[in-house]
Amino acid sequence: DIVMTQSPDSLAVSLGERATINCKSSQSLYSSNNKNYLAWYQQKPGQPPKLLIYWASTRESGVPDRFSGGGSGTDFTLTVSSLQAEDVAVYYCHQYYGTPYTFGQGTKLEIK
Amino acid sequence: QVQLVQSGAEVKKPGASVKVSCKASGYTFTTYSMHWVRQAPGQSLEWMGWINAGSGHTTYSQKFQGRVTITRDTSARTTYMELISLRSEDTAVYYCARDFGSGIYSPLAYWGQGTLVTVS
Repeated sequence: DIVMTQSPDSLAVSLGERATINCKSSQSLYSSNNKNYLAWYQQKPGQPPKLLIYWASTRESGVPDRFSGGGSGTDFTLTVSSLQAEDVAVYYCHQYYGTPYTFGQGTKLEIK
Repeated sequence: QVQLVQSGAEVKKPGASVKVSCKASGYTFTTYSMHWVRQAPGQSLEWMGWINAGSGHTTYSQKFQGRVTITRDTSARTTYMELISLRSEDTAVYYCARDFGSGIYSPLAYWGQGTLVTVS
């Protein structure tokens, strides 16, 4: 199974400041079609996860442009360029390169 | 708009089985695959398996092989996940999630509201 490891486990950032979450996979998620099979989700308490980013860097429709994804191969990042109060949540990276699909342990993003 | 509506919370005894439903609307049901993901209290997400809603073909995580069965009823636009031989560690919120439709392997674009299954 592909193991997904996020860092840090929790992160406190001031409003308006940048937040960066890292995700490392135990094997490359880059395929011959030039795509990285990596997604990011946001989950708020009592809600299901919400897809933010897929193919490592493609923003889902309706997601604010302050959210961006980067990286390739085994190392990926999710960046919130200017933290807003509504961004407080747990963020998960997810590989869909192959089954079983696996997720990172989550990173809790809070306001400092 | 795409909607996935799951059945209500369940309380089960150890050794029992549970069957959770997920009714889809707002898209062509047989065009997309449906996945099942669970989340134990305070824990991360755990993928259980998927079904191709068109062909009915299923793929399960080896962890749940033999205990989980995913089926679908195309006329009812509903997917089902049955888990047998329940134990306390199966206490979790169970989600159905429709894939993005961008190929065999695709991110999970739409999620049901979740169904809490308590084994006690």
